[in-house]
Amino acid sequence: EAGVAQSPRYKIIEKRQSVAFWCNPISGHATLYWYQQILGQGPKLLIQFQNNGVVDDSQLPKDRFSAERLKGVDSTLKIQPAKLEDSAVYLCASSLDPSGNTIYFGEGSWLTVV
Amino acid sequence: QKEVEQNSGPLSVPEGAIASLNCTYSDRGSQSFFWYRQYSGKSPELIMSIYSNGDKEDGRFTAQLNKASQYVSLLIRDSQPSDSATYLCAVRVERSQGNLIFGKGTKLSVKP
Repeated sequence: EAGVAQSPRYKIIEKRQSVAFWCNPISGHATLYWYQQILGQGPKLLIQFQNNGVVDDSQLPKDRFSAERLKGVDSTLKIQPAKLEDSAVYLCASSLDPSGNTIYFGEGSWLTVV
Repeated sequence: QKEVEQNSGPLSVPEGAIASLNCTYSDRGSQSFFWYRQYSGKSPELIMSIYSNGDKEDGRFTAQLNKASQYVSLLIRDSQPSDSATYLCAVRVERSQGNLIFGKGTKLSVKP
C-alpha cells in the first residue's frame, strides 16, 4: 500500500515569496491533515479535511496560509507571502476513520525561508 | 500551562536498559493518548495508543496511563540503538474539536 505522498520535499524561498505544497493521501483515506513542525517542536495541526470539507482550520494563519482539497483526494497548502518564522516541515497526514486514532504521516516538505 | 508537556531530554540509556519516557497533559476530559516515534529527518510513526487507565503492552513497549494524575508514560524494555529517536506524546483534546495535541518530544539516545 502506497503511503502519503508529498512534494516538493525541500524548498528554499525568500521572505515575501509564495510556495505551494502538494499532498496525495493513502487511497481511501477520507480525512487529511496538514501539520506544521518547527525544529524542536511537536507537530501543530494547521487544517483538517473530511473529504473535501474543512473540519478544523482554527490554527491556520488565514492571512497568509490557504489550503484546499477540491475533489476530496489530493490537497494543496499555499503560503503567500512567506515569513521567516514559516521555516518548518509541513507534514501531510491521512486517516481512514474520522476519529483519527491511526494517522499516517507523509515524509514532509521542508521549507526554509531566507 | 502547556497542554501536553514532555521532558525534551536528551535521555541517554545504555543498550539493554529500560527507557522511561513521561508525558503530562492538562485537559482532564482527554480520552485518547498516543506515542509516536520520529527518527531524525523522518516523519512521526505511531507506535502505541492507549485509552484506559493501566498498562498496555506491545512487544518491548509498554504504555501506562493514569488519568487521575493526568500522566502517560512509555517504557521501552531491552533498549536498542535503533530505538534512538524522538518520542512524541500526543493527546486527543476534546475541547480542540478532538484534534491531536503533540508535546515537544523527548530525544532518546541508546548507547551501545
